[in-house]
Amino acid sequence: EVQLVESGGELVHPGGSLRLSCATSGFTFSSYAMNWVRQAPGKGLEWISYIGRDSSAIYYADSVKGRFTISRDNAKNSLYLHMNSLRDEDTAVYYCTRDGSWGQGTLVTVSS
Amino acid sequence: DIQMTQSPSSLSASVRDRVTITCRASQGIRSDLGWYQQKPGKAPKRLIYDASSLQSGVPSRFSGSGSGTEFTLTISSLQPEDFATYYCLQYNGYPWTFGQGTKVEIK
Repeated sequence: EVQLVESGGELVHPGGSLRLSCATSGFTFSSYAMNWVRQAPGKGLEWISYIGRDSSAIYYADSVKGRFTISRDNAKNSLYLHMNSLRDEDTAVYYCTRDGSWGQGTLVTVSS
Repeated sequence: DIQMTQSPSSLSASVRDRVTITCRASQGIRSDLGWYQQKPGKAPKRLIYDASSLQSGVPSRFSGSGSGTEFTLTISSLQPEDFATYYCLQYNGYPWTFGQGTKVEIK
């Protein structure tokens, strides 16, 4: 069974940094591209980043480009999202996804 | 970027009603479209991929159709557990884009 478990979300001040992790199991992690998607409270879904199987291809939404960095460690079956210069509008539940499988999400709250 | 226009934004329906939700892409996306169901406090769940392929384990009352720019999700006979918010997602190119969502409520 495919499992995706996000962690690392917490309350952070504007301008701060955070690293989210997604631990995976139940599939060959190195064979799949991965994405991060977020959802602000009461709002719709927003795709924010993609990373290819070997990290050779990486894409970002304009809303996070230059501030967020996606990475992966295929030896640890883990996906990461490094978030810098956080803003109030980055407050959201962050999901890691593989094809149609999603984790349960981790909440990031940016507030002073 | 490809814009996805989803309609309606909400609807009220009764159990056993037939429900149709539409997504329109701002440019052709072949069949690179999925439909997701989300219940409050839960992660989205994929129902349909490649516009018309039913995700394993999803009831057959859900179906998808369309290609190019016009896509439809149909629930043939609405069940109590289907009251939720539905999103389309295009994955033809990056950035991926979601529709705005359709909240299906009980009439």
